[in-house]
Amino acid sequence: NAGVTQTPKFQVLKTGQSMTLQCAQDMNHEYMSWYRQDPGMGLRLIHYSVGAGITDQGEVPNGYNVSRSTTEDFPLRLLSAAPSQTSVYFCASSYAQQPSSYEQYFGPGTRLTVT
Amino acid sequence: AQSVTQLGSHVSVSEGALVLLRCNYSSSVPPYLFWYVQYPNQGLQLLLKYTSAATLVKGINGFEAEFKKSETSFHLTKPSAHMSDAAEYFCAVSGSARQLTFGSGTQLTVLP
Repeated sequence: NAGVTQTPKFQVLKTGQSMTLQCAQDMNHEYMSWYRQDPGMGLRLIHYSVGAGITDQGEVPNGYNVSRSTTEDFPLRLLSAAPSQTSVYFCASSYAQQPSSYEQYFGPGTRLTVT
Repeated sequence: AQSVTQLGSHVSVSEGALVLLRCNYSSSVPPYLFWYVQYPNQGLQLLLKYTSAATLVKGINGFEAEFKKSETSFHLTKPSAHMSDAAEYFCAVSGSARQLTFGSGTQLTVLP
């Protein structure tokens, strides 16, 4: 099991550019989510999905799009990058059906800098 | 709605001393509570979780946490700190939905 994988590890964008952060998991988890981590603010939920074809917004969704065409993949798209989106992005996954399994498994993160 | 407050953004302890990291939560439904650890430049790793089975929860690396409903707390402890415990620790709560709400984190420094 590779667990949760994310690519790229590092990315530098110019303001206005677009890009897609990739996330994949091989644990057959129904639930996947994207967080951003900023100093002193913990992790904040951007978008999440409870299964293929179903996505919803989290706490800080503006400027980001997601889609879930397969169980395994959950890409995060930045439509027009802004310096405020400089952050570390984490993808996570978990089983959706049992509350005791709400623990989420995290990927290694993507460090994004927008200049 | 749910929220988590971690008291102390930075905690320093001497090697061999007690580690105590504080977490208070707010939840409108019986919560599921988690502690995660993040080592430098890595993702988050689950230390332990409370899912209503037992109020004292034991986790990996000698850590444990006690759920106290009356105090709405879930403090993390370890009897004897090791240099390898230096990391950032996050408390998180999950209510009726699956979304985790994280605290702002506590950076633990272990002094030799």
